[in-house]
Amino acid sequence: DVKVTQSSRYLVKRTGEKVFLECVQDMDHENMFWYRQDPGLGLRLIYFSYDVKMKEKGDIPEGYSVSREKKERFSLILESASTNQTSMYLCASSLSPYYEQYFGPGTRLTVT
Amino acid sequence: KNQVEQSPQSLIILEGKNCTLQCNYTVSPFSNLRWYKQDTGRGPVSLTIMTFSENTKSNGRYTATLDADTKQSSLHITASQLSDSASYICVVSSGGYQKVTFGTGTKLQVIP
Repeated sequence: DVKVTQSSRYLVKRTGEKVFLECVQDMDHENMFWYRQDPGLGLRLIYFSYDVKMKEKGDIPEGYSVSREKKERFSLILESASTNQTSMYLCASSLSPYYEQYFGPGTRLTVT
Repeated sequence: KNQVEQSPQSLIILEGKNCTLQCNYTVSPFSNLRWYKQDTGRGPVSLTIMTFSENTKSNGRYTATLDADTKQSSLHITASQLSDSASYICVVSSGGYQKVTFGTGTKLQVIP
């Protein structure tokens, strides 16, 4: 079974803090994704990566950056957290764009 | 603009009853359509995937249909169980990493 793990289930940070969210997958997938999920808006793609050290912007990259130094690990970075970044963050991985995405359990981030 | 609309937004049914969730999309070109189930506080999990040539696919008590001409899909749940309480998300892909559009989901509650 594919397993995608995220570093925290719940996180509370203050405005202006730098926040790191980490995601690890154990199935040697090439592709990894970061989404945020907000009520009424569905999942929105922040960034994705199709290979180590490769990254592409998704639909809402502003205020975020990512890092993929190893194939199994994909990190999302909030450079200076703001209250409008309070959300559920979901990481996913897949073998290819046409294959199923496997999601982690999510990190609920609250920025106060 | 690619869009995926789901209805109803929420639904309450009695345990043992059947229900049908709807998904209309305007994504073009079409590659595949997936239904995901998302339990509260968890990441989405794929239930079915349908390609252009398929019009029905079952996964246990879940049956998905696809009408590529009208760009509509439905997810039928038979003999509902309490564990079916979740959000169901329709996801349409037009191929490629960025060309995945998520619906906002239908929240289903099954009550005893």
